[in-house]
Amino acid sequence: EVQLLESGGVLVQPGGSLRLSCAASGFTFSSYAMTWVRQAPGQGLEWVSTVSDNGMRTYYADSVKGRFTMSRDNSKSTLDLQMSSLRAEDTAVYYCARDPFGIIDYWGQGTLVTVSS
Amino acid sequence: QLVLTQSPSASASLGASVKLTCTLSSGHSNYAIAWHQQQPEKGPRFLMKVTSDGSYSKGDGIPDRFSGSSSGAERYLTISSLQSDDEADYYCQSWRTGRVFGGGTKLTVL
Repeated sequence: EVQLLESGGVLVQPGGSLRLSCAASGFTFSSYAMTWVRQAPGQGLEWVSTVSDNGMRTYYADSVKGRFTMSRDNSKSTLDLQMSSLRAEDTAVYYCARDPFGIIDYWGQGTLVTVSS
Repeated sequence: QLVLTQSPSASASLGASVKLTCTLSSGHSNYAIAWHQQQPEKGPRFLMKVTSDGSYSKGDGIPDRFSGSSSGAERYLTISSLQSDDEADYYCQSWRTGRVFGGGTKLTVL
C-alpha cells in the first residue's frame, strides 16, 4: 500500500524558516518524481514544487522560487521542503504527492503550516 | 500558458448522474489530465487520468460509478448513481514543466 506521511508543520513567524518532510513507503521511491502541493484555507490546490526521480531536476512555482528548496533522499525514501522567508500567504496545508509523468496519483494527508506573528 | 478551467459549482440529485467539465486552454487540447476528489475536511484523492482520445485509467479502489471521457479540449468526469459522500470538491490537474490545477468544482448532492 502506498503511504505518504508529511510532518513538520507548525506555527512560524513571518520571515522565519521551516522544513517539511515526507516519508514514503509501499513503492519504489527512487522510480518516481515527487511533488508538493499546498492549499490555503478555503482555497483551491496550488502546485509548489516537483523533483525528478533521481533528484537532479527541481521545479518551483513562481510564488516560492528562491525561497523554497525541495530535495529527496532515495536511500531513505524521504522528501524535504526547506522553506525560508515565510510570508502570511504561505499559510496552507502542504501535501506530498507521488507524481509519475506529471499526473499525481497518490497524496499524503497533509501538514499545516501557519505563518503569523 | 496552460490553464485549466472548471465551473465553480454543480449540483445533482441523489441517485442521478452528473458530468463535470475541465477545459484546457488554447494550444493544449491534446493534453491528458487527472481528476482528484477532495471530500470536506479531507486530503485530495486521485480518481483517474483522462487522455485526449477519451480513454481513462482509474486509481486504486475507485468505484465503477466514476468514469472519464474527452471531446476536443474538454475533459469530463461522470459520476453515476450519486451518493451523499460524492459531495466534494473536484479538481482537474495537468502538467507542463510544472503542475497545473483547475479552480475546482464544488459538487452538491441534493
